[in-house]
Amino acid sequence: AQTVTQSQPEMSVQEAETVTLSCTYDTSESDYYLFWYKQPPSRQMILVIRQEAYKQQNATENRFSVNFQKAAKSFSLKISDSQLGDAAMYFCAWAYNNNDMRFGAGTRLTVKP
Amino acid sequence: GAVVSQHPSWVICKSGTSVKIECRSLDFQATTMFWYRQFPKQSLMLMATSNEGSKATYEQGVEKDKFLINHASLTLSTLTVTSAHPEDSSFYICSARLGLAENPYEQYFGPGTRLTVT
Repeated sequence: AQTVTQSQPEMSVQEAETVTLSCTYDTSESDYYLFWYKQPPSRQMILVIRQEAYKQQNATENRFSVNFQKAAKSFSLKISDSQLGDAAMYFCAWAYNNNDMRFGAGTRLTVKP
Repeated sequence: GAVVSQHPSWVICKSGTSVKIECRSLDFQATTMFWYRQFPKQSLMLMATSNEGSKATYEQGVEKDKFLINHASLTLSTLTVTSAHPEDSSFYICSARLGLAENPYEQYFGPGTRLTVT
């Protein structure tokens, strides 16, 4: 069974500092996609970053970057120079072929001013 | 681009009545749409996958006769909660998949619908 695990229910970071959110997944597939979604209080799901499993290079989007370790089945999200607007629930997700997307339980990120 | 809308954003209905939620892809055609349910402080739980012109595929434990899904066009999917009860109160989110060759599995999410059944 494909599962996505986020072991940190809550995380806190000081404004302007860096924080890393963890995600591991379990799959026997070799070609798949991984995503980090942000859900602010408005509850609108917003894509933060996407990683194709066949790409060895870690994806980067401005202050957001991932550490993708395929062998370890790990996909962590690093947020640099944290801003107050980064406060939200963050969901790690996995998708393969035409199957649905599997989500982790989420990590609630608090940013302290 | 890739905007998904939901209507209504918030609805209150009486127990025993039915309520319809619409999900539209505004600027693209979506062959596949998904319906999720989210309880407070929890993750998204997939209810069903909807393909245009065919019957929806429901996840185990989701009552297909209670949660009717219709994907009549490439831009519209509807979820009808029939004979709603208070336990159906939840946040319902739809998403749509573009299915581009360079990005085949990303889903674009609607803003969600909060259903309260009294």
